[in-house]
Amino acid sequence: QKEVEQNSGPLSVPEGAIASLNCTYSDRVSQSFFWYRQYSGKSPELIMSIYSNGDKEDGRFTAQLNKASQYVSLLIRDSQPSDSATYLCAVNEGAQKLVFGQGTRLTINP
Amino acid sequence: ETGVTQTPRHLVMGMTNKKSLKCEQHLGHNAMYWYKQSAKKPLELMFVYSLEERVENNSVPSRFSPECPNSSHLFLHLHTLQPEDSALYLCASSQELAGVYEQYFGPGTRLTVT
Repeated sequence: QKEVEQNSGPLSVPEGAIASLNCTYSDRVSQSFFWYRQYSGKSPELIMSIYSNGDKEDGRFTAQLNKASQYVSLLIRDSQPSDSATYLCAVNEGAQKLVFGQGTRLTINP
Repeated sequence: ETGVTQTPRHLVMGMTNKKSLKCEQHLGHNAMYWYKQSAKKPLELMFVYSLEERVENNSVPSRFSPECPNSSHLFLHLHTLQPEDSALYLCASSQELAGVYEQYFGPGTRLTVT
């Protein structure tokens, strides 16, 4: 079983600051990387996907991928209280299977 | 209806009961998945169906039985469950695009086994 590691947190960030979430993975051949946001009592929601080394920006979110170091990160700029959630990192294993990390709980403090 | 829907949203069942969870996707996807989410554990993949064929069975006990009658519907039949099977059961769907499968989740069924 391939592994995806995340710090479970909680990670507390003041409102307006940058939240930085990190994820490492064990399978060197993985090609697709995803970040999901999960509010308490809700299902995971796909917010970012990244497939190439470097940065990918979407609004306040930036995903960063470094395949040589086997890590992927998510930056949230201008953090809002509504960003408080658990963030799940997922990495592909084969064509259709995703392996999920245990998630990082993020709290944005007003 | 849009996206991925699941019914029921909540289910309480005894260990001797038989019940079924239903998932329907309205996205035109060709792959569907069942996941189990327990407290303090990562999401666990249970089953994968691609073009209505089961392509993954992740060492799931036989008391869980999936069924995929067409590309839009997925069922999970439950019988003689154990209390440790209490969890959030999530359905997801995806469509292959340039070799990548982005998965979209339904709202889940919260299952309690008594």
